[in-house]
Amino acid sequence: DAKTTQPTSMDCAEGRAANLPCNHSTISGNEYVYWYRQIHSQGPQYIIHGLKNNETNEMASLIITEDRKSSTLILPHATLRDTAVYYCIVRVLNSGYALNFGKGTSLLVTP
Amino acid sequence: EAQVTQNPRYLITVTGKKLTVTCSQNMNHEYMSWYRQDPGLGLRQIYYSMNVEVTDKGDVPEGYKVSRKEKRNFPLILESPSPNQTSLYFCASSLAGGGASTDTQYFGPGTRLTVL
Repeated sequence: DAKTTQPTSMDCAEGRAANLPCNHSTISGNEYVYWYRQIHSQGPQYIIHGLKNNETNEMASLIITEDRKSSTLILPHATLRDTAVYYCIVRVLNSGYALNFGKGTSLLVTP
Repeated sequence: EAQVTQNPRYLITVTGKKLTVTCSQNMNHEYMSWYRQDPGLGLRQIYYSMNVEVTDKGDVPEGYKVSRKEKRNFPLILESPSPNQTSLYFCASSLAGGGASTDTQYFGPGTRLTVL
């Protein structure tokens, strides 16, 4: 699976959009971009995934650049409960192997 | 409610005393996996199973055993626990075998294990 690079930490004011970047410059054509998050010591939670096109669901939006070398997870109206570590993962679909969580971005949403 | 459950949630034990952490999912998922999480090391996969009776080693399998006799259950067995197995353990499952959505993994709430 391709390696990802994320900022170590970010802050966001409550109610504002949180934009979390991820660099995956070595991504190959059959690798998807997945985002998970982990709220303190809880089990990781799936957020969203995409291949080429931008995606949106009830939790977030995922913007993937045209060359697919980077992506941005957008939480449109961050709340205090969105404080968590966010992981950007690229992987071949259904490879069966481990999700490579890396270090992720620690997002702090402040009042 | 669709979920992955783990038991126990907390366990303190002593070196050498065999223990089993259970994992069960009610989503008819094919794929199940165990991870451990340690400060500074992140989440690392211990074992995974692509289907019943099919298991394989992950990145850190030493000191652990698993079995997959039924689709819904994937217990993690520590035959002779040691202090370096003190960790936070997560079980995960996914439908697998189909489109992108089936690769989404669902995690249990975690089991915090302390080996003295």
